[in-house]
Amino acid sequence: GQQVMQIPQYQHVQEGEDFTTYCNSSTTLSNIQWYKQRPGGHPVFLIQLVKSGEVKKQKRLTFQFGEAKKNSSLHITATQTTDVGTYFCARSLNDMRFGAGTRLTVKP
Amino acid sequence: KAGVTQTPRYLIKTRGQQVTLSCSPISGHRSVSWYQQTPGQGLQFLFEYFSETQRNKGNFPGRFSGRQFSNSRSEMNVSTLELGDSALYLCASSLGAGGVLDTQYFGPGTRLTVL
Repeated sequence: GQQVMQIPQYQHVQEGEDFTTYCNSSTTLSNIQWYKQRPGGHPVFLIQLVKSGEVKKQKRLTFQFGEAKKNSSLHITATQTTDVGTYFCARSLNDMRFGAGTRLTVKP
Repeated sequence: KAGVTQTPRYLIKTRGQQVTLSCSPISGHRSVSWYQQTPGQGLQFLFEYFSETQRNKGNFPGRFSGRQFSNSRSEMNVSTLELGDSALYLCASSLGAGGVLDTQYFGPGTRLTVL
């Protein structure tokens, strides 16, 4: 129960294009966390969203939490080759449930 | 502050054997969680230990077990290995306060191959 569905599974963009990944839940989430995993690396925490409608920015990354707290998105403006990796959303309650991840590749 | 460390980094075993993986959390972190990552199933939660007690458990068979020591270091054991157990096993530590899993800091993982 309380799975988080993440789309798309893959995204290939040209450097400079924007990128968005979406995370959806059928139930209300208490919080949502975002992680990035570089190829061959391990997941690294990016941010946590807790409040309804919350928007947080980290340089070119914008994170949103839906008003109903059932969905979230990560948007990257003007992608760079350093953005390559898999982006995961995760909800934490008594256990941690990760979305399947969106694998981003960037063509220089 | 040193990060999460996991040993060994790579391991090759044969079916039927057992394996023990080790994880040392960030100093001051009392919660240690274990995850299995495979291309097909993604990142799946195995269990979480806090103050030497298993606090949460994922949906894995009893062949997967763990423990935590008084210094917060944790070990994970898999008995009677199957081919499908080949995966990257990640350990993550967190402060663990409040009973809710907070920000997870992951180790580099142990790559287990079962032949």
